[in-house]
Amino acid sequence: NAGVMQNPRHLVRRRGQEARLRCSPMKGHSHVYWYRQLPEEGLKFMVYLQKENIIDESGMPKERFSAEFPKEGPSILRIQQVVRGDSAAYFCASSPRGGTGTGKNQPQHFGDGTRLSIL
Amino acid sequence: ILNVEQSPQSLHVQEGDSTNFTCSFPSSNFYALHWYRWETAKSPEALFVMTLNGDEKKKGRISATLNTKEGYSYLYIKGSQPEDSATYLCATHGRGGSEKLVFGKGMKLTVNP
Repeated sequence: NAGVMQNPRHLVRRRGQEARLRCSPMKGHSHVYWYRQLPEEGLKFMVYLQKENIIDESGMPKERFSAEFPKEGPSILRIQQVVRGDSAAYFCASSPRGGTGTGKNQPQHFGDGTRLSIL
Repeated sequence: ILNVEQSPQSLHVQEGDSTNFTCSFPSSNFYALHWYRWETAKSPEALFVMTLNGDEKKKGRISATLNTKEGYSYLYIKGSQPEDSATYLCATHGRGGSEKLVFGKGMKLTVNP
């Protein structure tokens, strides 16, 4: 019973390049969340997606960052023209349905993260 | 800004000691409180999701209580073992019961044999 799968585990990019981080949710989970951990900080919410829809992107930087969760395939977090400040650990989580309302007892299940380093 | 505070930030104990840490959160518009255990180089592991005032949950030697009226949750570890060494995170939902989790900075526990 595979958990949340993220790849790559480590990604090195030079300033100005693009970074693509992938997340395959647990089987049967249709809700995906991305979080970022900057050095010396806690986990911060970035974006919440359901299949083919962005539900809440209130934590996404206004420029260079985008996310998608297509009907088929993994969720992708894309960072264009990376800068040194993008160096962080990026975590994906999934849940079978929303954690509030009728599903409010549902935990979010996390992947192992992608450590992004910008040279 | 919704703030989730955890204390202490780190704790060193001897094997066999019991530990107790606190998570504080705004009591208004409360939806649910999540506890996670996070070992280095692994993914955060869900321990408990708590929703009702007075909730108590237990998993082995780890238990948690919830007070939504005053905005705090306690996590207890009875008879700590070296394998309990990890960072313990609490999180609550964003304002209006949004799906996003707002995390505290975590409490790093080190249990010395």
